[in-house]
Amino acid sequence: DQQVKQNSPSLSVQEGRISILNCDYTNSMFDYFLWYKKYPAEGPTFLISISSIKDKNEDGRFTVFLNKSAKHLSLHIVPSQPGDSAVYFCAASITGSQFYFGTGTSLTVIP
Amino acid sequence: DSGVTQTPKHLITATGQRVTLRCSPRSGDLSVYWYQQSLDQGLQFLIQYYNGEERAKGNILERFSAQQFPDLHSELNLSSLELGDSALYFCASARDPNYGYTFGSGTRLTVV
Repeated sequence: DQQVKQNSPSLSVQEGRISILNCDYTNSMFDYFLWYKKYPAEGPTFLISISSIKDKNEDGRFTVFLNKSAKHLSLHIVPSQPGDSAVYFCAASITGSQFYFGTGTSLTVIP
Repeated sequence: DSGVTQTPKHLITATGQRVTLRCSPRSGDLSVYWYQQSLDQGLQFLIQYYNGEERAKGNILERFSAQQFPDLHSELNLSSLELGDSALYFCASARDPNYGYTFGSGTRLTVV
């Protein structure tokens, strides 16, 4: 049973525009959320996090939004750059337990 | 270099065989996690160890086992391998798991 879902396997965006990656979860007990970025032949690397007490967290070009009532989070990248082309995973956990990951969204930023 | 070392990077083996994947966590990290990534699948949690003890179990098959040694490195043993076990196996470590993990670069297992 997939508790964290990323329904868009791929996304293409022009350089300089906004990239929006979406993630839905089913377990209302999840209280901590992460986004990871993965390049080919490398392991995922941590990008940004948000706890359930917030609805927004910003780090440079990256912003994560959390809508607890909809059990939905999104990652915004503005402006998108070609180096952002990668697979993005969202992950969720109940504090103290393991993270559950989505299936990933492959982002391509077109120069 | 993330600080988490996985060996080997690639492994090709035949059905029915047994393999061992190795993971050295980042210095100071007591928790080790194993994840499997199959084609078109997300990262599926297999098992977690904390300071040598099993802490949590996910979708790990009975043919698979793991352990964490006193020096904190971990091994994932996969036996009676089937074609469907072909996947990327990631190890991750954490000091405070509430703030996410550091992943290794993975072991790509191909069962033929």
